[in-house]
Amino acid sequence: AQSVTQPDIHITVSEGASLELRCNYSYGATPYLFWYVQSPGQGLQLLLKYFSGDTLVQGIKGFEAEFKRSQSSFNLRKPSVHWSDAAEYFCAVRDNTDKLIFGTGTRLQVFP
Amino acid sequence: ETGVTQSPTHLIKTRGQQVTLRCSSQSGHNTVSWYQQALGQGPQFIFQYYREEENGRGNFPPRFSGLQFPNYSSELNVNALELDDSALYLCASSLIGNTEAFFGQGTRLTVV
Repeated sequence: AQSVTQPDIHITVSEGASLELRCNYSYGATPYLFWYVQSPGQGLQLLLKYFSGDTLVQGIKGFEAEFKRSQSSFNLRKPSVHWSDAAEYFCAVRDNTDKLIFGTGTRLQVFP
Repeated sequence: ETGVTQSPTHLIKTRGQQVTLRCSSQSGHNTVSWYQQALGQGPQFIFQYYREEENGRGNFPPRFSGLQFPNYSSELNVNALELDDSALYLCASSLIGNTEAFFGQGTRLTVV
C-alpha cells in the first residue's frame, strides 16, 4: 500500500540556519509528490511538486526539494530559514485514484 | 480567480447530532475532495466528487456522505456524530486528471 513517512515530528532551527525536512514514500509507480505547509488553524498551501523530469524542483518561499528514486525520498530544503517559516510541513504522494496520501507532518520551530 | 472557500470556519456539535459542511471550488475546477485532519495528524482522504458523483472513497463509514452541485460546490454531511469526529475538515478542488489540488482554510468541528 502507498504510504508517506516523515521521520521527524518536530524540528527546531535558528533563524538563518539551513533546513532539511525528510520524507520517504512507498509507491509502486512513478510518484507525484508534493510538499504542503500549514500555519496554525489554517488550510494547506502548496510549496512545490514533482511529477517528472528534473529531480530538483523549486517552490515558493525559497524552498526546494530533491526526488531520489533510489532512496524513495523527497526531502525539502531551504538554505536560510526565516522566523515566518515556522509551521507544520506535510509531504504527500498522489495515488492512481487522484487522492493524496499525507505523512504525519513535521512541526518546524524557528528561534531568533 | 477566487480560491477555495469553506463554511463555517468553526462549529460545535453534540454527540449524535448531524452536521453539514460547505465548500466552494476554485473557479474552473470540476473535482472536489474532502479530508479529515485530526489533531497532530496528517489529512486523511474521505471521498472525492466529480460530475456530481462520488469518485473514490477512503476508509470512512457511510455516515460520512457528500454532494456536489452543478456549480461544482460541495457539501460534506456527517450523521450520528461521535467524539472522534472532532477534527479539521479540509476541502480541496482540482481539475480531474490534473495533478494539483488547492485547499480551503478548513472547518474546525468540535463534538462534545
